[in-house]
Amino acid sequence: DGGITQSPKYLFRKEGQNVTLSCEQNLNHDAMYWYRQDPGQGLRLIYYSQIVNDFQKGDIAEGYSVSREKKESFPLTVTSAQKNPTAFYLCASGVVGSNNQPQHFGDGTRLSIL
Amino acid sequence: AQSVTQPDIHITVSEGASLELRCNYSYGATPYLFWYVQSPGQGLQLLLKYFSGDTLVQGIKGFEAEFKRSQSSFNLRKPSVHWSDAAEYFCAVGSVRGRDDKIIFGKGTRLHILP
Repeated sequence: DGGITQSPKYLFRKEGQNVTLSCEQNLNHDAMYWYRQDPGQGLRLIYYSQIVNDFQKGDIAEGYSVSREKKESFPLTVTSAQKNPTAFYLCASGVVGSNNQPQHFGDGTRLSIL
Repeated sequence: AQSVTQPDIHITVSEGASLELRCNYSYGATPYLFWYVQSPGQGLQLLLKYFSGDTLVQGIKGFEAEFKRSQSSFNLRKPSVHWSDAAEYFCAVGSVRGRDDKIIFGKGTRLHILP
């Protein structure tokens, strides 16, 4: 079955450490997205990509980085510059076009600080 | 700038009762509107979407939503809820401007179902 796979499901970060969250999709979608979800805050867009080797900052990109070397993969790195990284991170994918929106979501990665 | 407001943080209804979740948006042109549902610890699932045409939109799981331009609203409804509908629901509004495609999510409404 097609879908989005996020790993790991739970991740712990030490102070000063960079961590990378994986997102893989086999839906053949061109667009991929990373969202951060905090309790009572809804989803906020971190980065998005509409084509391989290209990506744009979302609303809260500071302290995060991404790459899009393959269509299927859009990993997110939470750097040590992100001072409040504890959150639920959701990856999504969609079809690029005039009605573009994230159509499929992964099951998320919960990141916590040790 | 576009925005979306979900006025109710929590809603509690009895199983079998009707449901309406409110969503108000702010956008300068005709918006693209969405409703998503999220079960605990899971990702979001798209329930329905409105782009144009008929203002009453049918979605999955027996949900529907009505776009009312005069009220800037896109409320989600279901005639009879089931215990499995307990989840968090997010309304979202879309901005489509070439490569700058993205959507803005509301803060969510958590639905509780009484047996």
